[in-house]
Amino acid sequence: AQTVTQSQPEMSVQEAETVTLSCTYDTSESNYYLFWYKQPPSRQMILVIRQEAYKQQNATENRFSVNFQKAAKSFSLKISDSQLGDTAMYFCAFMKRYGGATNKLIFGTGTLLAVQP
Amino acid sequence: DTAVSQTPKYLVTQMGNDKSIKCEQNLGHDTMYWYKQDSKKFLKIMFSYNNKELIINETVPNRFSPKSPDKAHLNLHINSLELGDSAVYFCASSQGRMIRQAKETQYFGPGTRLLVL
Repeated sequence: AQTVTQSQPEMSVQEAETVTLSCTYDTSESNYYLFWYKQPPSRQMILVIRQEAYKQQNATENRFSVNFQKAAKSFSLKISDSQLGDTAMYFCAFMKRYGGATNKLIFGTGTLLAVQP
Repeated sequence: DTAVSQTPKYLVTQMGNDKSIKCEQNLGHDTMYWYKQDSKKFLKIMFSYNNKELIINETVPNRFSPKSPDKAHLNLHINSLELGDSAVYFCASSQGRMIRQAKETQYFGPGTRLLVL
């Protein structure tokens, strides 16, 4: 069974600074996807970034980038130039590749990020 | 235009009642999911459907019965509500005409907060 661990329940960062959220996972699969989802106070689940495990290049989306270390089973999220709107709960999630509709997201417990003005 | 919508957004009810939550997606996706987020913010898959066929049925009490009248809709009916059913329920969808072709990125609805008194 796959597990996802987020060891930082809460983090705080000053506006405009950079913060890194940690995520580790455990799996025997070799083909999979990793995701970071953001859940602001509005409760909406918003996809932040996605990484395919077969790609060595780290994914980036504007101010968001990941550090994917497949051998270490680590998938951290870096937020640059933090903005007040980045305040949210961040969830790391794992999904096996292939399997179609049998796919399910396995979520970590989340990290609550507070961006301070 | 809302991609994945859920009704109602809030639901407060008494123990023992029966209630339904509706989900609709206008993305043309073939696969839909229900996730439950508990009071500690932990998210877990409950069900998935592909073209009206039940694919995933996690260990969920049989008081929970999903129904998919067509591929754009997935409803969740809960019988004999219990205090422990209080949670936020998220609907999600992903592409894929056939079971094994369902794409990996899942798009979430806004969630339904259920409170059982």
